Amino acid sequence: DQQVKQNSPSLSVQEGRISILNCDYTNSMFDYFLWYKKYPAEGPTFLISISSIKDKNEDGRFTVFLNKSAKHLSLHIVPSQPGDSAVYFCAASARWGKLQFGAGTQVVVTP
Amino acid sequence: DAGVTQSPTHLIKTRGQQVTLRCSPKSGHDTVSWYQQALGQGPQFIFQYYEEEERQRGNFPDRFSGHQFPNYSSELNVNALLLGDSALYLCASSRDRSGYTFGSGTRLTVV
Repeated sequence: DQQVKQNSPSLSVQEGRISILNCDYTNSMFDYFLWYKKYPAEGPTFLISISSIKDKNEDGRFTVFLNKSAKHLSLHIVPSQPGDSAVYFCAASARWGKLQFGAGTQVVVTP
Repeated sequence: DAGVTQSPTHLIKTRGQQVTLRCSPKSGHDTVSWYQQALGQGPQFIFQYYEEEERQRGNFPDRFSGHQFPNYSSELNVNALLLGDSALYLCASSRDRSGYTFGSGTRLTVV
C-alpha cells in the first residue's frame, strides 16, 4: 500500500533557481511529515519536518508547505545549489510510529 | 559525537544462507528502527525496537527478525535468504519525537 507518493522521479533545475518537490499522501492519520536527502553510498539525512498543526515551516533555503485538505506537501529549495543534487525522500508518520517513505525524486542542479 | 553506526558496510551472501546486520544508535537514542531500501524505491519499514522489545512491525515475513540489547544496539537477522532480499538495509535511531538519525546502511547482495 503506497500511502506516500512522489510522482516525479526526477527534477532538473538551474543553479540559483527554485526547486519544488511534491509529495502526496493518502492516510489522514499522518500527523508528522519529513523530508530527507540522500547521496549515493550514504544514509538519508534529515532536512526539514512539519507537524500537521502547521501549514508552513522554513529553515534557511528550505521551506516545506503542507496542504492537509489536499493531502499534499511540497519542499521548496531557494536558491538551488550544486550541492543540492541528490535524491529527496518525503516521509510521513502517524503518532510518531513508523516512517512511510515515497519513492524519491532525483534532483540535478545544473550550472 | 558518533551518529548511527552500521556494520558491515557491504555483504555478499548465497541464497538460503543467514545474515546478521548490526547497528549502534546515536548517543542518547533509545529506539532503533530498521528499513529495507530496494533499488529505485524508498525505504520500507521492517520493525522498530524499544526497551529490548519489538514495538512495531512492517509487512515483512518471519524470516526477518531482530534484537535490541541493553545498550540499545540492535541486530537484524534474515534467514533463508532470497535473491529479492538484496537491498540497502538502513538503521535509524531516535528518542521521543526528537527525530530519526539514519546510518549509512549495509548493502546486502544475495547471489
